[in-house]
Amino acid sequence: QSALTQPASVSGSPGQSITISCTGTSSDVGGYNSVSWYQQHPGKVPKLIIYDVTDRPSGVSDRFSGSKSGNTASLTISGLQAEDESDYYCASYTGTSTLVFGGGTKLTVL
Amino acid sequence: QVPLQESGPRLVKPSETLSLTCTVSGGSISNFYWSWIRQPAGKGLEWIGRIFPSGSTNYNPSLKSRVTMSIDTSKNKFSLKLTSVTAADTALYYCARASYCGPSRCYNLSWLGPWGQGTLVTVSS
Repeated sequence: QSALTQPASVSGSPGQSITISCTGTSSDVGGYNSVSWYQQHPGKVPKLIIYDVTDRPSGVSDRFSGSKSGNTASLTISGLQAEDESDYYCASYTGTSTLVFGGGTKLTVL
Repeated sequence: QVPLQESGPRLVKPSETLSLTCTVSGGSISNFYWSWIRQPAGKGLEWIGRIFPSGSTNYNPSLKSRVTMSIDTSKNKFSLKLTSVTAADTALYYCARASYCGPSRCYNLSWLGPWGQGTLVTVSS
């Protein structure tokens, strides 16, 4: 299985919205509504922020939202804050009952 | 919360077997898949595989020939063995709770959380 494709980096100013894409195939992202997103601050444990494409675990800010179109899933962060500066990873369930991650995206808040 | 804690040798010699255990505290190991994930320093996350209390497993195809997972429901623990390790296997290894399975189907198929704190395993002679 090949890693999902994410941009290496994105940036935005405080208060703005940014979107991170995650592109796979019809065998993973496009075939299942089972895409999740993880936030990982430097030296910290990854944290689940979106699951099943659009759902947020309890306690996650509603500034984080997810969507999917075809083989591409997206994470949108609105009202960007300094604390959002982090690495973000997408993951998708696949047709062979495995999980595949994206390469990760570094978000810089300008 | 369901704290998870990884344990095992931090240093493994090349060609030998890496062995880690994840202890689940504060909740039952039943009805959930349990996963291992690793992250080389400065790099991204790599899913290693998952195991269900029944012993059913799924592995990353790129690691499948070297990976074995097991589970001990009586002790609320699950384990990872990775054989024939090389320097490329040096990484921070995490365990995490994965999807929930009811009587007829599983839910939240890409869910990973909560996670353990991770344990750094170095492959070196």
